Amino acid sequence: GESVGLHLPTLSVQEGDNSIINCAYSNSASDYFIWYKQESGKGPQFIIDIRSNMDKRQGQRVTVLLNKTVKHLSLQIAATQPGDSAVYFCAELMEYGNKLVFGAGTILRVKS
Amino acid sequence: ETGVTQSPTHLIKTRGQQVTLRCSSQSGHNTVSWYQQALGQGPQFIFQYYREEENGRGNFPPRFSGLQFPNYSSELNVNALELDDSALYLCASSRRDRGETQYFGPGTRLLVL
Repeated sequence: GESVGLHLPTLSVQEGDNSIINCAYSNSASDYFIWYKQESGKGPQFIIDIRSNMDKRQGQRVTVLLNKTVKHLSLQIAATQPGDSAVYFCAELMEYGNKLVFGAGTILRVKS
Repeated sequence: ETGVTQSPTHLIKTRGQQVTLRCSSQSGHNTVSWYQQALGQGPQFIFQYYREEENGRGNFPPRFSGLQFPNYSSELNVNALELDDSALYLCASSRRDRGETQYFGPGTRLLVL
């Protein structure tokens, strides 16, 4: 079946450290992946995306890595800040672009 | 913030009632997708509307239905509400013909008593 899952439900990091959030996906035919950040009481906010023809993509303080061999996706956040505290979801765009399949989410807690 | 808006922000209904949720898509977007997010879980795809027609549906019963209007805004209707329908309902807009990602609104929190 289709599923996108996360390895760690909760991640606690010290302010200023780097954070790594991992995700495993099951559909090897998927060609587009997205990371979202969701703060309490808000909708998911787009962070960064990557297509299957890439291994790495960088944004502002964030990097997404894609390993198609083992169907693994990761989000790296540099110099983590208190404002980064949220739930992070990876999602896989399926069925000709009309359906996002989300993982369960990872809670990121930043300690000051 | 995205340009996707949803109304109302919160809603309380009783079992058996019907509810209509509304979504306005971001400027330039022609596709609206609806998701249900139960507490502590990731969003689950309900359906998508493109060119005013349903364009894909998740594992939800027929009492979940929708509409898309010529201005690309959309409604989600749920009939015969059940307690398990209590959730955050999210709308996301995108440009399907360009394969772009989906941008979410703030959601409508529905509580069914």
